[in-house]
Amino acid sequence: DGGITQSPKYLFRKEGQNVTLSCEQNLNHDAMYWYRQDPGQGLRLIYYSQIVNDFQKGDIAEGYSVSREKKESFPLTVTSAQKNPTAFYLCASRGFPDTQYFGPGTRLTVL
Amino acid sequence: AQKVTQAQTEISVVEKEDVTLDCVYETRDTTYYLFWYKQPPSGELVFLIRRNSFDEQNEISGRYSWNFQKSTSSFNFTITASQVVDSAVYFCALIKAAGNKLTFGGGTRVLVKP
Repeated sequence: DGGITQSPKYLFRKEGQNVTLSCEQNLNHDAMYWYRQDPGQGLRLIYYSQIVNDFQKGDIAEGYSVSREKKESFPLTVTSAQKNPTAFYLCASRGFPDTQYFGPGTRLTVL
Repeated sequence: AQKVTQAQTEISVVEKEDVTLDCVYETRDTTYYLFWYKQPPSGELVFLIRRNSFDEQNEISGRYSWNFQKSTSSFNFTITASQVVDSAVYFCALIKAAGNKLTFGGGTRVLVKP
């Protein structure tokens, strides 16, 4: 089945640790996105990538990093510089026309 | 800058009632897309419908229908004969054509009681 997978579903991080969230898609989409959702709020764009080896900052990129070495994969690293990382993280890829399809999400909690 | 406003934070209905969700948007772009997404308790954001700025024809798809009015910058969404499985948070979103940033509203929580 075609779709977007994210892992892990739940992630716990200690203060000062970097953690990496996985996002994989087999939809053959070029563009991929990372969003953050805080309780009771809409989504905010962290980073996006339109093609392999290229990515752009979104509205809240500070404390996050990404890579795009393969078309299918767009991992997000939450660094220790992100002061309030506890949130729900959603990955998406863009199909035609301009429609973003989302993965199941990763819930990150800082202990 | 783009902005999407969903004034209703929560709606509670009894099963089989119709539910209409309001969405008002602001954009300076002439070509754009509007969306409705559903977020059930599991958390995944599910794409429901899309409408482009050049097509104001209102449509019905199963129990879903939408009313796009460019003159009032509104994109309302109706669930007919609601079911318990419709209980979720619904987000309205906007993106300019060929753009990358989806602008979301704050969401409306729908609770359908049996």
